[in-house]
Amino acid sequence: SQKIEQNSEALNIQEGKTATLTCNYTNYSPAYLQWYRQDPGRGPVFLLLIRENEKEKRKERLKVTFDTTLKQSLFHITASQPADSATYLCALDSWGKFQFGAGTQVVVTP
Amino acid sequence: DTAVSQTPKYLVTQMGNDKSIKCEQNLGHDTMYWYKQDSKKFLKIMFSYNNKELIINETVPNRFSPKSPDKAHLNLHINSLELGDSAVYFCASSSAGAQANEKLFFGSGTQLSVL
Repeated sequence: SQKIEQNSEALNIQEGKTATLTCNYTNYSPAYLQWYRQDPGRGPVFLLLIRENEKEKRKERLKVTFDTTLKQSLFHITASQPADSATYLCALDSWGKFQFGAGTQVVVTP
Repeated sequence: DTAVSQTPKYLVTQMGNDKSIKCEQNLGHDTMYWYKQDSKKFLKIMFSYNNKELIINETVPNRFSPKSPDKAHLNLHINSLELGDSAVYFCASSSAGAQANEKLFFGSGTQLSVL
């Protein structure tokens, strides 16, 4: 069966450090992978999209990698700030449907 | 202006009741969705409409009936509510079909509590 796995435990990190989140998937062959941010009581907000032929994508302090051999994406937040505290979701396409992981909560402390 | 707006924000009701959640998007998108987020935070797609036509209908009880009067609106009607229907329901839209390179725009969610 298809699975998208993200760390269920919250990631606690000190301000200024780099947070690294993982998204592993099985039984998917995604051409694209997306990352979203979700704040409490809000809907997810799109952050980045990476294509299967792209190894890395950057947007400001965010960096995403995509390894189709390992079936894994890494999401990095560099120079983290308390405002980065949120839950981060990865999403894959499966036959025209977006499937989401359960997300990883990031807590950045001053 | 809110791009994807859904109402109500909170919905508390008794088992067996019928309720509706409304969604509107002002982005000019062709495709709209309903997602359910359960207590474990998994977002699961329920329905997808493209220009008022049903495209995706996941394994959802037929007590759930989406209605799209026009491409800017997608409402969700739920009959005979059950305890297990308690969750947060999100409406979303995308500019084209449900393709992997299309980003989704989400509403702020409707927290449904069935007592």
